[in-house]
Amino acid sequence: NAGVTQTPKFQVLKTGQSMTLQCAQDMNHNSMYWYRQDPGMGLRLIYYSASEGTTDKGEVPNGYNVSRLNKREFSLRLESAAPSQTSVYFCASSEAHRAGGVTDTQYFGPGTRLTVL
Amino acid sequence: RKEVEQDPGPFNVPEGATVAFNCTYSNSASQSFFWYRQDCRKEPKLLMSVYSSGNEDGRFTAQLNRASQYISLLIRDSKLSDSATYLCLYRGSQGNLIFGKGTKLSVKP
Repeated sequence: NAGVTQTPKFQVLKTGQSMTLQCAQDMNHNSMYWYRQDPGMGLRLIYYSASEGTTDKGEVPNGYNVSRLNKREFSLRLESAAPSQTSVYFCASSEAHRAGGVTDTQYFGPGTRLTVL
Repeated sequence: RKEVEQDPGPFNVPEGATVAFNCTYSNSASQSFFWYRQDCRKEPKLLMSVYSSGNEDGRFTAQLNRASQYISLLIRDSKLSDSATYLCLYRGSQGNLIFGKGTKLSVKP
């Protein structure tokens, strides 16, 4: 099993450009998440999908959109990139959302390092 | 009080030392606690879940102190390979899982 995969690994954008970050998991998990990680800020939740067909905002959703394409795939789109969106983006999945216990365990992809000039 | 707080460190310890980190939290009703390890420029990886009775995995021991609202991670006989950032994760008062900002550990020869 590959676990959680993300593409691309690195990306450089100019201000105003758009792009989509792709994430897929092969663990048959119901829930998927997008985080960003900045120095000194820790991991902050952007959006999550508790189950196929649902998406909800996290702590820092502004400037992003998401699509839960199917159970396996959850994409993050930047419509008009800004330098403030320079960050490392991690996708994660878990067996369930808010079910408690070990089903909350989150498994992470390797991350996408995005620079916006 | 912040939802979750960790001492950012860095903790600089010699090989073989015992080191402990704490993570304080505000949601007294939370039932989900975890410790993650993150190496430089890598993704976080689950180190261990934290159970009410405490749990141990080799040199690592995790404990939950509900009265004082913190979880702890104890590492015995530190190895160079233990150098990393350790993140706590718990379920906050709004129901979402929240990561601490991490504690950096550096084990020196």
